Amino acid sequence: SQTIHQWPATLVQPVGSPLSLECTVEGTSNPNLYWYRQAAGRGLQLLFYSVGIGQISSEVPQNLSASRPQDRQFILSSKKLLLSDSGFYLCAWSGGSEDTQYFGPGTRLTVL
Amino acid sequence: EDQVTQSPEALRLQEGESSSLNCSYTVSGLRGLFWYRQDPGKGPEFLFTLYSAGEEKEKERLKATLTKKESFLHITAPKPEDSATYLCAARLTGTASKLTFGTGTRLQVTL
Repeated sequence: SQTIHQWPATLVQPVGSPLSLECTVEGTSNPNLYWYRQAAGRGLQLLFYSVGIGQISSEVPQNLSASRPQDRQFILSSKKLLLSDSGFYLCAWSGGSEDTQYFGPGTRLTVL
Repeated sequence: EDQVTQSPEALRLQEGESSSLNCSYTVSGLRGLFWYRQDPGKGPEFLFTLYSAGEEKEKERLKATLTKKESFLHITAPKPEDSATYLCAARLTGTASKLTFGTGTRLQVTL
């Protein structure tokens, strides 16, 4: 069966510091991968998605970036965090022609 | 503009009191309508996918239905463990598996 991991689970970072969140998927190959942010009282906002290694599409202009160095690894990064980057970050995957996205446990990021 | 709207924003039910959650969508072309359950501090858990008007799917006390303009999540005789936020999302045609989410309905079921 497929599983998706995210780490860290929680993170507190000062404004201006760098960020690296990691997501890995097990039990499938060549998945589509997604990064979402969920702010309090708001819906999930798609940040990036990837259909293959090195292929990244950005949905929202911001100071975040994403990379996919391996087939089942997706990384969300920032060089300098802003207060507005605080939120709950979710990674998801979908397989082949299947539409359903399956979510990881999330990372709670607080920028102070 | 493509939009997914959920109502009510919050719902409080007594155990055994059936009700429905609404998800209305205004999109140019719907390829699929998805329902998820999200517990506090956790990632959304997939419940159902509906593809065409008239389609229904059931799982335990939950039943999802789809029309050309909206979807309903019916909860029959809910229990306290059904308390969660329920999210719906629409996949549009030609959008490479991207989902547009509503803001969710927070359901609380009390004894």
